[in-house]
Amino acid sequence: AQTVTQSQPEMSVQEAETVTLSCTYDTSENNYYLFWYKQPPSRQMILVIRQEAYKQQNATENRFSVNFQKAAKSFSLKISDSQLGDTAMYFCAFMTLYGNKLVFGAGTILRVKS
Amino acid sequence: GAVVSQHPSWVICKSGTSVKIECRSLDFQATTMFWYRQFPKQSLMLMATSNEGSKATYEQGVEKDKFLINHASLTLSTLTVTSAHPEDSSFYICSARDGGNVETQYFGPGTRLLVL
Repeated sequence: AQTVTQSQPEMSVQEAETVTLSCTYDTSENNYYLFWYKQPPSRQMILVIRQEAYKQQNATENRFSVNFQKAAKSFSLKISDSQLGDTAMYFCAFMTLYGNKLVFGAGTILRVKS
Repeated sequence: GAVVSQHPSWVICKSGTSVKIECRSLDFQATTMFWYRQFPKQSLMLMATSNEGSKATYEQGVEKDKFLINHASLTLSTLTVTSAHPEDSSFYICSARDGGNVETQYFGPGTRLLVL
């Protein structure tokens, strides 16, 4: 069974600075998908970024980028130029290539301070 | 695009009553929808996978007679909490998988249920 571990329950960052959220996972699969979802105080889950394991290039979406290390089974999220609106709970998630279910980590609460 | 709605967003009910929550994909067809439960400051716990036109698949430990799921069309799935009790109070979230983009799930805004 796949597992996803987020070892940072809470983090804080100053506005405009950069922060990295950690995520590791365990799987015996070779091809799969990894995701970062954001859940702001409204509790609406928002897809931040997606990575296909068969792609070596790290995914980027504007201020959000990932550092995907397949051999180490690590998938960290870097947020550059942090904004107050980035304050949220961030979930790392895993899904097998032909799978159905998302496996979520426990989440990291990120607070951006002004 | 890829918008999922849930109704109601907030419901209070008396113990012993049943509550129905609707999940709709507004601009795409969703052959598969998912129902999650989330406690404060915790992760999402998958309750069941709902497939259009067939019975839902429940996760281990989730009572199928307690949480009735119906996926009658490609855009609508419903979760009915039967004979609700205070311990059923929680935040319920649905998600839908776009048939043309199967690796991504789009989430509804959630329903907060309080059972008195």
